[in-house]
Amino acid sequence: KAGVTQTPRYLIKTRGQQVTLSCSPISGHRSVSWYQQTPGQGLQFLFEYFSETQRNKGNFPGRFSGRQFSNSRSEMNVSTLELGDSALYLCASSSLTSGGTSGGPVGDEQYFGPGTRLTVT
Amino acid sequence: SQELEQSPQSLIVQEGKNLTINCTSSKTLYGLYWYKQKYGEGLIFLMMLQKGGEEKSHEKITAKLDEKKQQSSLHITASQPSHAGIYLCGADIYGYALNFGKGTSLLVTP
Repeated sequence: KAGVTQTPRYLIKTRGQQVTLSCSPISGHRSVSWYQQTPGQGLQFLFEYFSETQRNKGNFPGRFSGRQFSNSRSEMNVSTLELGDSALYLCASSSLTSGGTSGGPVGDEQYFGPGTRLTVT
Repeated sequence: SQELEQSPQSLIVQEGKNLTINCTSSKTLYGLYWYKQKYGEGLIFLMMLQKGGEEKSHEKITAKLDEKKQQSSLHITASQPSHAGIYLCGADIYGYALNFGKGTSLLVTP
């Protein structure tokens, strides 16, 4: 079974530009989550999609958005890039088949992709 | 939000030695995940623990979740250079996302 794939692997953008990152989950997985990893803040949750619906969003500004397609592939978009957006962006897919409940377990292992390294200059 | 604290922040051990990494939560853990990350790369899933007192092993790595489900430990026996990397513990939030600790950087010397 192929793992989670992310494209592109590396990206260099300038401030003010926008960027779109793509994530293809493991076949059969319908839940896709996005995370941002920086040396200072560590790994932080951005948002999660299930069946084309965003179910929750982390504490990030509205410049960060995403979507999920009917084949479960997901994209995230960052508009008006800032230097602080330089990070490793990771997506994870899970076979969670129903909506989670607050405080309950994720339900299944989350498998991560290799990440997209975004550098904003 | 659920805060996860990992200790130590970094670890240098000689090949063949055992080591333990700890992960402590400010709240009861409903699901605790351990991942390994090579520098600048994605996360490799190691183990998931859900029940108090649960213990799982894979090759030379053993993870435990205490009875109160607020602390987990990851133990590596007879460390090898291939064990080097960053170990991250994650706890579920919202029911479908993970909150991570800052990570423990492990270096294994010959």
